[in-house]
Amino acid sequence: NAGVTQTPKFRILKIGQSMTLQCTQDMNHNYMYWYRQDPGMGLKLIYYSVGAGITDKGEVPNGYNVSRSTTEDFPLRLELAAPSQTSVYFCASSYSIGGRNNEQFFGPGTRLTVL
Amino acid sequence: TQLLEQSPQFLSIQEGENLTVYCNSSSVFSSLQWYRQEPGEGPVLLVTVVTGGEVKKLKRLTFQFGDARKDSSLHITAAQPGDTGLYLCAGGIYSGAGSYQLTFGKGTKLSVIP
Repeated sequence: NAGVTQTPKFRILKIGQSMTLQCTQDMNHNYMYWYRQDPGMGLKLIYYSVGAGITDKGEVPNGYNVSRSTTEDFPLRLELAAPSQTSVYFCASSYSIGGRNNEQFFGPGTRLTVL
Repeated sequence: TQLLEQSPQFLSIQEGENLTVYCNSSSVFSSLQWYRQEPGEGPVLLVTVVTGGEVKKLKRLTFQFGDARKDSSLHITAAQPGDTGLYLCAGGIYSGAGSYQLTFGKGTKLSVIP
């Protein structure tokens, strides 16, 4: 099992450009998440999905969009990149929620710089 | 928005010393998780605690969930250089529409010097 994979690992964007961060998991997890991690800060939830076709906003959704057409894939779209979106982006998935069995498995991250 | 305060933010100690990291909130959480993150990688789960007062041990690491489920601590005995990393606590709470979200603390960056 590859677990959670993310592409690209690094990307530099100009202000106003758009891009899609890819996330794929091969663990058949229903729950998937996108977080951003800024220096010295914890992870903040951008969007999450409880299954194919179902997504919802997290704490910091502005400037981002997501879709979930399959169980495996959960891409994150930046439409008009801004310097405030410079961050490290992590995708995660989990088998369940709540209780003791809600471990989230994280991908290696995408480091994005907007200039 | 639930907030989790972690302290200390940075900790540099000598190999063999003991240390405790704290995670505090005014909110009640359904569960509390501790993750460890290496540079350039995603966080990896260390433990989940769900019951107030619960204590879990993982080799030299001891995790405790507060009685009121608002705070937690991580104690490391005889720290080793391999313990170096960023330690994140995350509180879980059920939100609307049957979803469950984690709120992360800012992390404690631990350096263990040989």
